[in-house]
Amino acid sequence: RKEVEQDPGPFNVPEGATVAFNCTYSNSASQSFFWYRQDCRKEPKLLMSVYSSGNEDGRFTAQLNRASQYISLLIRDSKLSDSATYLCVVTLNTGFQKLVFGTGTRLLVSP
Amino acid sequence: DAMVIQNPRYQVTQFGKPVTLSCSQTLNHNVMYWYQQKSSQAPKLLFHYYDKDFNNEADTPDNFQSRRPNTSFCFLDIRSPGLGDAAMYLCATTEVQGAQEQYFGPGTRLTVT
Repeated sequence: RKEVEQDPGPFNVPEGATVAFNCTYSNSASQSFFWYRQDCRKEPKLLMSVYSSGNEDGRFTAQLNRASQYISLLIRDSKLSDSATYLCVVTLNTGFQKLVFGTGTRLLVSP
Repeated sequence: DAMVIQNPRYQVTQFGKPVTLSCSQTLNHNVMYWYQQKSSQAPKLLFHYYDKDFNNEADTPDNFQSRRPNTSFCFLDIRSPGLGDAAMYLCATTEVQGAQEQYFGPGTRLTVT
């Protein structure tokens, strides 16, 4: 079983749509949680951290459910520029904070 | 201004011919990481340095080595590249070992012919 699992997509949505991505992780000792964004042939960039209380950054809302080991990302009012791969990331404390990446969910926003 | 720089951005090497990828950072961060990312896969951690202390992942092949001559530079050496080593190689940094946000370089895309 993969440590971090995501639906690879692609999710094809029109501009203005709301889209939600989910992610599950297998290690209950995972400590911190993030969403990274990766554009085609570019490096990953931190989108936002994820907290149990939920957090919002503009059109983006992230949520963590530790009991279910489940992380979500909601994007409202999708823009063309949101087209990218969204990587779910957890950290494990293995003597240092090790990032473990999911394979990513691809989002395509069309006009 | 670029903070984590990787050179070259594209590298072509022959099967079995040693190749070195380089990473430099202007952030003065203590920790530097090397990841391998194959098409449609997650980035996979190969190793990291905390200052001069080298930490290898258990499943990183011996074919992959690294050097960190100073705080700013880190190199990835692939001693005998195979076709399966074709991938994007990403360098990342953090200020301290427990820090969570990693700053990634643009990557080097390696092709093995």
